[in-house]
Amino acid sequence: NAGVTQTPKFQVLKTGQSMTLQCAQDMNHEYMSWYRQDPGMGLRLIHYSVGAGITDQGEVPNGYNVSRSTTEDFPLRLLSAAPSQTSVYFCASSYSMRNTEAFFGQGTRLTVV
Amino acid sequence: DAKTTQPPSMDCAEGRAANLPCNHSTISGNEYVYWYRQIHSQGPQYIIHGLKNNETNEMASLIITEDRKSSTLILPHATLRDTAVYYCIVRAIIQGAQKLVFGQGTRLTINP
Repeated sequence: NAGVTQTPKFQVLKTGQSMTLQCAQDMNHEYMSWYRQDPGMGLRLIHYSVGAGITDQGEVPNGYNVSRSTTEDFPLRLLSAAPSQTSVYFCASSYSMRNTEAFFGQGTRLTVV
Repeated sequence: DAKTTQPPSMDCAEGRAANLPCNHSTISGNEYVYWYRQIHSQGPQYIIHGLKNNETNEMASLIITEDRKSSTLILPHATLRDTAVYYCIVRAIIQGAQKLVFGQGTRLTINP
């Protein structure tokens, strides 16, 4: 198993550009989520999904869209990047929404200039 | 969500036990205590979780007080590779889905 795979690892965007951060897991996990981490702060939940076709907002959803067309993939879209979205983004998955451990990807470091 | 309070930093000598405290005085009866760690900007790594009984696995032990208002993560024989930020999380169920709320964590430094 590869676990949770995020691509790309690094990305530089210009303000106003769009892009998609990819997240894939091969563990047949129901639950997937996206977090962002800024310097000196803990991780904050952006969006989550409890299964294919179902998504919902987390703590800081503005400026981001998600979709979950398959169990394996949970892409995060930035429609019009802003400098405030400069951050490290982590994708996570877990077997179910019940009390199970979450597996995290290695992160995508995004800089918006 | 129940809030957690952790010391911002701690030091421990290599080979000694590292005891990381966490306060969660507003925890609800159905909320679990989870511990994760993050090594140098890698993705967070699950360590252990518990509800009210003490738990132990190959990585650590978790001691939860009887009133569940605080807990302690114990790394029995700390190594240099245990240097990381440790997050104590009380896991809430929001609208049927889990939500991990990460605070600032404790930066643990293991010294040779």
